[in-house]
Order: sequence, then C-alpha cells, then structure tokens
Amino acid sequence: AQKITQTQPGMFVQEKEAVTLDCTYDTSDPSYGLFWYKQPSSGEMIFLIYQGSYDQQNATEGRYSLNFQKARKSANLVISASQLGDSAMYFCAMSFNAGKSTFGDGTTLTVKP
Amino acid sequence: EAGVAQSPRYKIIEKRQSVAFWCNPISGHATLYWYQQILGQGPKLLIQFQNNGVVDDSQLPKDRFSAERLKGVDSTLKIQPAKLEDSAVYLCASSHRRQRNTEAFFGQGTRLTVV
Repeated sequence: AQKITQTQPGMFVQEKEAVTLDCTYDTSDPSYGLFWYKQPSSGEMIFLIYQGSYDQQNATEGRYSLNFQKARKSANLVISASQLGDSAMYFCAMSFNAGKSTFGDGTTLTVKP
Repeated sequence: EAGVAQSPRYKIIEKRQSVAFWCNPISGHATLYWYQQILGQGPKLLIQFQNNGVVDDSQLPKDRFSAERLKGVDSTLKIQPAKLEDSAVYLCASSHRRQRNTEAFFGQGTRLTVV
C-alpha cells in the first residue's frame, strides 16, 4: 500500500531563515513521482515542486528545493529565506503512472516576523 | 488561463439531505479528480475521471456518493443522503494528462457542513 507520512503537524520559522519540512513515503512501485503543494488559508492547493523516482538530481524551484533520499524513502522540502507569505499548510504527495495521488496529512508552517 | 472553478464555496445542510457540487476544470485537461479533505487531514481521492470515463472510484462511498462528467468537461459530485461525517472540503482538481509527473491544478474547494 502507498503511504505518505508527515511527522510535523506544525513548524515555526523566523522570517528570512530556512526551514525543512519532512516527508517519508512507502511504496513498492519503482516508478513514482513526489510532489509538494502549498495550501493557504484560502483553500486552493498550489503546486510547488516535483521529483521523479528516477531523477538523479534533487529538484529546485526558486526558493524551494527537494531533498530526495531514495534509499531512506524521504522527500523533504526545504524553503530558503522564508517570507511571511509562506505561512500555510504544506502537503507532500506521491503519484503513479495512472495519475492517482496519495497525500500526507500536512504540516502547518508559521513564519514569524 | 482560467483556473479550476468550483461552486458553491460554502454549503450547510442538515443530515439526510442531498447536496451537489460543481466543477469546471482547466480547458483541455482530460483528467479530473474529486478529493475529500476532512479538517486536519490531507486530501483523499474520491474519484478520478479520464475524459468522461471513470478511472478510479475505489474510495467513493457509492451508497451515497455519485459523480459524473458529462461530455468530458464539467463534473458534478452528489451526496444523497448526507451524514455528519461528510462535513469536509471537497476539492476538484484537473491535469492535462494521467501520468506520475504531471501536477494537478486545484480549485478553491467547497466547504460542506452537515448539521
């Protein structure tokens, strides 16, 4: 069975500092994708970053990077230079070739001024 | 481009009543998803469409939930009769292809409260 675990219900970070949000996953399928989404209080899920299971390099998108450790089945999100607008829920998700995605229960990030 | 549109944004109903949610995906997106997000949890997939065909409805409570996607564009999710535990945000998402490396675009959701 596919499962995503996010062990940090809530995280705090000082503005301009970096923060790491943890994500571990479980699957026996060798072909999968890992996503991070941001969900602000307005409700919509916003795509942040993607990592494929066969990708050799860690994905980066602006201030977001994904620390992919395949052997440990972890896909942590690193946000550099946190901004007040980064305060939101963050979800890790895993997808497969049929497009079906499994989501974790999320981490609430609060950026303090 | 226009995003995924959902309506209504909020709905309050009494248990045993029926309710319907509407979703208009991004133009050209063949894949459409309905997710249920209970407070404090991540989204759970209810049903996935590819054009107007159902790809996965394994987690849809079929005794009370139904969904359709007529003509492969708009979709409607219905609950009849509603239970208290159906209180959640119902998210619609779409993607242009059904592959593992394709991100989904989400609407703002419909927040359902069953009293």
